[in-house]
Amino acid sequence: AQKITQTQPGMFVQEKEAVTLDCTYDTSDPSYGLFWYKQPSSGEMIFLIYQGSYDQQNATEGRYSLNFQKARKSANLVISASQLGDSAMYFCAMRPIHMNYGGSQGNLIFGKGTKLSVKP
Amino acid sequence: DTGVSQDPRHKITKRGQNVTFRCDPISEHNRLYWYRQTLGQGPEFLTYFQNEAQLEKSRLLSDRFSAERPKGSFSTLEIQRTEQGDSAMYLCASSSPTSGFNEQFFGPGTRLTVL
Repeated sequence: AQKITQTQPGMFVQEKEAVTLDCTYDTSDPSYGLFWYKQPSSGEMIFLIYQGSYDQQNATEGRYSLNFQKARKSANLVISASQLGDSAMYFCAMRPIHMNYGGSQGNLIFGKGTKLSVKP
Repeated sequence: DTGVSQDPRHKITKRGQNVTFRCDPISEHNRLYWYRQTLGQGPEFLTYFQNEAQLEKSRLLSDRFSAERPKGSFSTLEIQRTEQGDSAMYLCASSSPTSGFNEQFFGPGTRLTVL
């Protein structure tokens, strides 16, 4: 069975500092994608970053980077230079990649999330 | 290019009533997904469509739930004989083959409260 575990229910970080949000996963699929989403209090899920299990390098998108350690089955999100607007829930998610479906299979499997609070 | 839209944003209903939600994906996105999110949890997959075909349904989608995407554009999710346990945020997302379906764009959600 596939599972995403986020062990930090809540995190605090000082503005302008970096923060790491933990994510571990479990899957038997040989190929998969890993995602991070941000959910502000408004409720909308905002895509942040994607890492394919076959990618050799860690993904980066602006202030976001994904620390992918395949052997440890971890996909931690690193946010550099935190801003007050980063305060939100953050969800790690995973999806298998099956080539006979023409690419990624449909559904995302989400963790329970981490609530990040940025202090001024 | 507008994002994914959902209607209504909020719905309060009495137990036993039927409700229907609508989702309009980003134009040209041929995949559409429905998720349910309860308080303190991450979203849980319900079902997804590729064009008008419903390709996968979760076991969470009981017989009281039905989803359609008749013309491969907008989709509706209907819940019959609502129960208090159906109270949740219902999220819709869409994706495009140009990104290998990697990125799902979510709508603002419909918050359902069953009294």
